Amino acid sequence: AQSVTQPDIHITVSEGASLELRCNYSYGATPYLFWYVQSPGQGLQLLLKYFSGDTLVQGIKGFEAEFKRSQSSFNLRKPSVHWSDAAEYFCAVGPRSNDYKLSFGAGTTVTVRA
Amino acid sequence: DAGVTQSPTHLIKTRGQQVTLRCSPKSGHDTVSWYQQALGQGPQFIFQYYEEEERQRGNFPDRFSGHQFPNYSSELNVNALLLGDSALYLCASSLVVAGGPEAGELFFGEGSRLTVL
Repeated sequence: AQSVTQPDIHITVSEGASLELRCNYSYGATPYLFWYVQSPGQGLQLLLKYFSGDTLVQGIKGFEAEFKRSQSSFNLRKPSVHWSDAAEYFCAVGPRSNDYKLSFGAGTTVTVRA
Repeated sequence: DAGVTQSPTHLIKTRGQQVTLRCSPKSGHDTVSWYQQALGQGPQFIFQYYEEEERQRGNFPDRFSGHQFPNYSSELNVNALLLGDSALYLCASSLVVAGGPEAGELFFGEGSRLTVL
């Protein structure tokens, strides 16, 4: 069965500092990989996705993620955090098809301090 | 271009009642998926509709049912509500056959917050 683990429940980072959110997955084959962000009271917005090719993928809002097959990881990074990045972040995996049945991690809440 | 819209945004029900949530997909999308997000957890897949039929289903009881209409909009129905059904219900739309930048991407609405008392 597929599963997604986000080891960090809550991360606090200073504005301007770098951010890294961890994601590990268990899946039968290399899945499609996603990072979504959810601001309070909002739905989920896609930050980036990995299907194939270059293992370092660029997303919106200055985020990037690196797929490491050997570690079954897909960690999200941002070099310099802005106060508006405070939100909840979800890693998700799905099968390599267009059936869109995603499995999500429990999420990491990011707090940004001035 | 309207995104995914859901209604109502908030509602309160009591145990044993029934609820219907509604979703209009992003323009041009033909597939609707429903997810349940309990407080402090990630979304969990309930089911997916395409061509007015349930295409896939997650690990949810039969109390959860749905429908898709010819215009691709969808409803989620939950019968015999339990306290544990309190959650944010998210609708997401997509294209069955999607290429280009939207390949594999789900577009989410802002959700319907259900509270069961």
